Amino acid sequence: ETGVTQTPRHLVMGMTNKKSLKCEQHLGHNAMYWYKQSAKKPLELMFVYSLEERVENNSVPSRFSPECPNSSHLFLHLHTLQPEDSALYLCASSPGGGTTEDNEQFFGPGTRLTVL
Amino acid sequence: AQTVTQSQPEMSVQEAETVTLSCTYDTSESDYYLFWYKQPPSRQMILVIRQEAYKQQNATENRFSVNFQKAAKSFSLKISDSQLGDAAMYFCAYRSGDTLAGSYQLTFGKGTKLSVIP
Repeated sequence: ETGVTQTPRHLVMGMTNKKSLKCEQHLGHNAMYWYKQSAKKPLELMFVYSLEERVENNSVPSRFSPECPNSSHLFLHLHTLQPEDSALYLCASSPGGGTTEDNEQFFGPGTRLTVL
Repeated sequence: AQTVTQSQPEMSVQEAETVTLSCTYDTSESDYYLFWYKQPPSRQMILVIRQEAYKQQNATENRFSVNFQKAAKSFSLKISDSQLGDAAMYFCAYRSGDTLAGSYQLTFGKGTKLSVIP
């Protein structure tokens, strides 16, 4: 596998379920991101991790819980979601340095989440 | 807070022709970076082109070029010799140049859906 991978690609869950989204990057990057992409809305940054420490949390509801056990893996744990949480969840990574190139973000293919 | 506006929800272009996608942004910063990302139907978002605000020269990448007008806060993308594979959603994005406050956050526009007509 190369680049940024995400599993599963599609997920359907009920509001009482607990599930997790997984992201893995094979690029040796230090920063990883979770974005939410809803129809007709700009991409919304949810969380940023740099060297496994959370550096940004953009007022995301607590029913979304991120985890970054190491610089290659990022999880998004989901519980008691709402139908309005249905969206495409994108993971990205970047080298994490100070230059433009260091902060170029490489995206995964996304997980299409449907909450019933 | 910075905002990015893409005023064209959808555009179409004839194959081999040229199309320009518009993007405007609002910021009080003087140092920042601008990007165009492409998201084909397969959904993998990829970087098309980047521009540093301190550079006056417009960035080019093969058939893709930008028209960066800093005073007007405009950052349009020109695609020359359009190909069927160019059909995708195109997102304009802004990143602060302040490495302490906001170096990680990309602010995206809503996107423009480009169709290429054979």
